[in-house]
Amino acid sequence: QPVLTQPPSSSASPGESARLTCTLPSDINVGSYNIYWYQQKPGSPPRYLLYYYSDSDKGQGSGVPSRFSGSKDASANTGILLISGLQSEDEADYYCMIWPSNAVFGTGTKVTVL
Amino acid sequence: QVQLVQSGAEVKKPGASVKVSCKASGYTFTSYGISWVRQAPGQGLEWMGWISAYNGNTNYAQKLQGRVTMTTDTSTSTAYMELRSLRSDDTAVYYCARKGESSAYDYWGQGTLVTVSS
Repeated sequence: QPVLTQPPSSSASPGESARLTCTLPSDINVGSYNIYWYQQKPGSPPRYLLYYYSDSDKGQGSGVPSRFSGSKDASANTGILLISGLQSEDEADYYCMIWPSNAVFGTGTKVTVL
Repeated sequence: QVQLVQSGAEVKKPGASVKVSCKASGYTFTSYGISWVRQAPGQGLEWMGWISAYNGNTNYAQKLQGRVTMTTDTSTSTAYMELRSLRSDDTAVYYCARKGESSAYDYWGQGTLVTVSS
């Protein structure tokens, strides 16, 4: 079972941007997969945010603001979630996910809005 | 609107079985698969498996093979997840999620807490 590595925590002030990373193991090429992102607040189920494959193949979850966006850094074999114009309501845990053969979730990043 | 409503919390003894239900509404049940994902207290998300609501095909996480069974009842638009030989480390919140367009888990149930304790 591959492990998707996410930094345990990230913090930024309101209005700033938060850049969350999801690093794939070296035997899985980030360029070959959709990267999915989910947000989870305490006591609630995860919420689907978006997926990113390429600039021409991406999708936003229903009702998800455009300040949430995805990208990839192929050189680092990493998927990226960018939260622009950070708001207090964005304070949550964020998980990435891929589908090699079965779904695999990342380790999660806790975002704190200072 | 799409909704997934799960059954209530359960407390089980080690070695017992639990069966959690997930009733879907607001969409054509057989057009989408259902996955089950669990989350131990304070931990991350763990994928347990997937079932096609169209034909009942399943795909389980290797670590749960032999202990988990996922089924559907298309007459009631309900998915079920049964986990047997429960251990204390099966204590978790269990979620069902619809596998939607582009294979995203676009809708989630509210979660069912399963506590395994002697």
